Amino acid sequence: DAGVIQSPRHEVTEMGQEVTLRCKPISGHDYLFWYRQTMMRGLELLIYFNNNVPIDDSGMPEDRFSAKMPNASFSTLKIQPSEPRDSAVYFCASRASLAFDYEQYFGPGTRLTVT
Amino acid sequence: RKEVEQDPGPFNVPEGATVAFNCTYSNSASQSFFWYRQDCRKEPKLLMSVYSSGNEDGRFTAQLNRASQYISLLIRDSKLSDSATYLCVVNLDKLTFGTGTQLKVEL
Repeated sequence: DAGVIQSPRHEVTEMGQEVTLRCKPISGHDYLFWYRQTMMRGLELLIYFNNNVPIDDSGMPEDRFSAKMPNASFSTLKIQPSEPRDSAVYFCASRASLAFDYEQYFGPGTRLTVT
Repeated sequence: RKEVEQDPGPFNVPEGATVAFNCTYSNSASQSFFWYRQDCRKEPKLLMSVYSSGNEDGRFTAQLNRASQYISLLIRDSKLSDSATYLCVVNLDKLTFGTGTQLKVEL
């Protein structure tokens, strides 16, 4: 299996621009998670989906952030408009419902820099 | 108070040393516990689960003290390849990650 796939791996954009991050979970996994990691705050859960339905978006920082999962093999995280404080590494992770030990598999991350 | 607290380190230890990391969590209803490992500029990966009875996987031993809301990870005979950040993770209705403890194993 190719694992969780994220694109782009790096994104540099200017303040005010729209940013779209993409994720393909592992085939057969029905949970998908979006995290943000910074030095100051560590790894924070933004939102997660089960069977393509958003379950908990309480971690989404504000209305500038939105996430969708139109089908079982694709999800997007959009920031519009982007701000310098959004600079972070964004990870997507997936797991199966019956995963032993709730093991989540993370993608390689998207390193976002907003100037 | 943070939900999961860890000493950020770094812990600099010589090869072959034994090193222990600690973690505390705030929600006594937490159901399960894990250690994840994250290499520099890489994604986190599950290292091991933490059971009430304690569990061991080779050179790694994890312990849980529910009464004190405390989790530990012991690494024996540390190797250069153990250098990484170790994330304490607590599960209630979702996984909550600590900010991690950085380990550097030196020659």
